[in-house]
Amino acid sequence: AQRVTQPEKLLSVFKGAPVELKCNYSYSGSPELFWYVQYSRQRLQLLLRHISRESIKGFTADLNKGETSFHLKKPFAQEEDSAMYYCALKGGTSGSRLTFGEGTQLTVNP
Amino acid sequence: EPEVTQTPSHQVTQMGQEVILRCVPISNHLYFYWYRQILGQKVEFLVSFYNNEISEKSEIFDDQFSVERPDGSNFTLKIRSTKLEDSAMYFCASSVGQGGGYGYTFGSGTRLTVV
Repeated sequence: AQRVTQPEKLLSVFKGAPVELKCNYSYSGSPELFWYVQYSRQRLQLLLRHISRESIKGFTADLNKGETSFHLKKPFAQEEDSAMYYCALKGGTSGSRLTFGEGTQLTVNP
Repeated sequence: EPEVTQTPSHQVTQMGQEVILRCVPISNHLYFYWYRQILGQKVEFLVSFYNNEISEKSEIFDDQFSVERPDGSNFTLKIRSTKLEDSAMYFCASSVGQGGGYGYTFGSGTRLTVV
């Protein structure tokens, strides 16, 4: 079985502060990990995927297989980063389904 | 940027009625999906569809659900006899491929309210 845990439902930081949104997963094989973002009343948008090791809007995420984590980080948060962030996993043997975490609502205060 | 389009954005239906949720995936995508999110809960996988057939479905996707790609552009989710617990946001998604880290493009969702 595959599972994604985002321990923080709410996270509040001040503009310019570093931010880290935690994601832990449970999966026995080699997972594919993603971060999706949902701005207020908009659609889920792909933010990052671990396989491409990219940085989008200043966010990065590194897959740590030892700790089974895929935390999302940004060194200097901006007010426009306020949104709901979902970590998601796709397992190689489970076909195409994405398993989502519960989501973390990030609020960046001025 | 290409988008996945879903209609309607909000649908209210009476318990026991049939509803059809519609989606237009991105034109060169080959894989199609439905997810749902009950208010306050996580986004849950319902079904994936490829090559005109269901490739995978979850435990939620029981006999009252069905999917169809009737005309090569639309992708529909039908709920035959709605229950109160079917009230949720339903998201359609599509992707070019299945492996290799492909992300999915999601639509903006249909909010289904069963009364």
